Amino acid sequence: AQSVTQLGSHVSVSEGALVLLRCNYSSSVPPYLFWYVQYPNQGLQLLLKYTSAATLVKGINGFEAEFKKSETSFHLTKPSAHMSDAAEYFCAVSAGNQGGKLIFGQGTELSVKP
Amino acid sequence: EPEVTQTPSHQVTQMGQEVILRCVPISNHLYFYWYRQILGQKVEFLVSFYNNEISEKSEIFDDQFSVERPDGSNFTLKIRSTKLEDSAMYFCASSKQGAPGANVLTFGAGSRLTVL
Repeated sequence: AQSVTQLGSHVSVSEGALVLLRCNYSSSVPPYLFWYVQYPNQGLQLLLKYTSAATLVKGINGFEAEFKKSETSFHLTKPSAHMSDAAEYFCAVSAGNQGGKLIFGQGTELSVKP
Repeated sequence: EPEVTQTPSHQVTQMGQEVILRCVPISNHLYFYWYRQILGQKVEFLVSFYNNEISEKSEIFDDQFSVERPDGSNFTLKIRSTKLEDSAMYFCASSKQGAPGANVLTFGAGSRLTVL
């Protein structure tokens, strides 16, 4: 069975600082991994996905994530935080027959201080 | 950019009442999903729907829940007799493809259900 663990329910960084949001997964088969972002009063928006091609995946808004099989990790990073990055971030692994069954982590709320 | 729309954005109901949450998926998408998030907890899969039938459902999705695509545009989630523990944010999503890794789910903004 697949599962996802996000370390840290709240992360606070200063504007311009590195953003690092941690995600570890458990999967009995090669995983498909996703990061979604949720801005207030909006739906979940796909940031990036890993589908067994390049291990370093680039997404929207300057975010990227690196798949590390040996560490079962898929951490999300951004070199320089912007105020507009404040949101909730969800890591997810694809499971199920059709792939639409996503198993989500508990989410990490990112705050960006001026 | 195409989006998934959900109505209502917020519904308050009494325990035991029936609730219907509505979703309009993206027009050329073929796979439809409902997820929910109880306050402070993870986003949880409820059900997936393809070709007018349920393709997968979670153990949460018991006989109190049903889904329907009554016409070519709407996708609904019905809760027959609401319980306090049904209070949650319900997200609808759709995707063009269904294969693992190939599908990208587009989510709606959610419908917040409060059961009193």
